[in-house]
Amino acid sequence: DADVTQTPRNRITKTGKRIMLECSQTKGHDRMYWYRQDPGLGLRLIYYSFDVKDINKGEISDGYSVSRQAQAKFSLSLESAIPNQTALYFCATSDPLREQETQYFGPGTRLLVL
Amino acid sequence: GENVEQHPSTLSVQEGDSAVIKCTYSDSASNYFPWYKQELGKRPQLIIDIRSNVGEKKDQRIAVTLNKTAKHFSLHITETQPEDSAVYFCAASINAGGSQGNLIFGKGTKLSVKP
Repeated sequence: DADVTQTPRNRITKTGKRIMLECSQTKGHDRMYWYRQDPGLGLRLIYYSFDVKDINKGEISDGYSVSRQAQAKFSLSLESAIPNQTALYFCATSDPLREQETQYFGPGTRLLVL
Repeated sequence: GENVEQHPSTLSVQEGDSAVIKCTYSDSASNYFPWYKQELGKRPQLIIDIRSNVGEKKDQRIAVTLNKTAKHFSLHITETQPEDSAVYFCAASINAGGSQGNLIFGKGTKLSVKP
């Protein structure tokens, strides 16, 4: 689904570094999400945004921040990366009014913190 | 808050056999239950969903059943094929008055279909 893209796709960084993961979508959806996937732990919600002026913490927001620069862009930042933030990160979008509750995921960003 | 438990964590079946994955949820107000499939190295994609006003839903070889009293729902795959091999996630959310709640995901089931 090329309508939701993420950059970078892979990133290696060092402890203490600031890093930003970016998500863009051409689906015209108002709602955007950031999830983290760890083996055996499923998908856990970090932050979500229902529109440009609405940002909400999810289940595991500590150590992360987000920015909704426009309807189409939602960025996730790690202010000071630590090794236990090594994970696969997914962005997702949804539009309950037009497409009910379906969430569309981006291709993921694999992050390794050394 | 809502908690979703998913079992088993791994499942291996022979091609042609059926596979069943079960999930339980804790919040009786949850009323939307999707299933996502994630192939190796790919993104999760919705394969089927069910709402609380329906007890069962089918789509070709895939079906989902819901027992609101027991607060559990299951994914059934019949006549499994190698391309069904993937990680499957169940989820639950509360949707009220057009307002969609957040999805709470189970931890996933890795299904392997052996030829």
